[in-house]
Amino acid sequence: EPEVTQTPSHQVTQMGQEVILRCVPISNHLYFYWYRQILGQKVEFLVSFYNNEISEKSEIFDDQFSVERPDGSNFTLKIRSTKLEDSAMYFCASSSLGTGNQPQHFGDGTRLSIL
Amino acid sequence: GESVGLHLPTLSVQEGDNSIINCAYSNSASDYFIWYKQESGKGPQFIIDIRSNMDKRQGQRVTVLLNKTVKHLSLQIAATQPGDSAVYFCAESFILTGGGNKLTFGTGTQLKVEL
Repeated sequence: EPEVTQTPSHQVTQMGQEVILRCVPISNHLYFYWYRQILGQKVEFLVSFYNNEISEKSEIFDDQFSVERPDGSNFTLKIRSTKLEDSAMYFCASSSLGTGNQPQHFGDGTRLSIL
Repeated sequence: GESVGLHLPTLSVQEGDNSIINCAYSNSASDYFIWYKQESGKGPQFIIDIRSNMDKRQGQRVTVLLNKTVKHLSLQIAATQPGDSAVYFCAESFILTGGGNKLTFGTGTQLKVEL
């Protein structure tokens, strides 16, 4: 069964450094998302991406965050200058084109640890 | 504000028994719901979904019930197995005008299966 893959599984970074989290969505999906989960808390929506542009972003997704689809398969989340509070699990998800709501399929996440 | 929440943070069941996990939602306009299973160190895994024009939907060993009158959702797992031990989230889906949909997750219920 096709799946969403994320790399790396764990990223340790010094505060203030830039990080790029990578995702390969399911190949025929057209909508792409990032979510995060701080330890012990809910999964929170960050951003959705369609047709090479952001379709929605949350208040968490400030100017330090950006997303990109650099080629036909990868979808990346960049944090320009990391803060301690960025430490969390980051999940990528994708969904297919369809009428109305569609289920989103998630990767296994990248654990981001900011020191 | 709108929210999706779970009634029980932890549910312990005996192997072979049926499990029922509950979820309350507050947005009466919501028309699509998804149940996800999250095992330790993994991303949310799609289990089953239901649209608001249905009251019940069955999958393999799982059934989702939707009561729109009281804004309540439940996940029933038949003949619970040790492999069912995980955190279960309900998620409410909202269509985005720019494309795709945004998920709002509940806090999760930890299901523990005792041998």
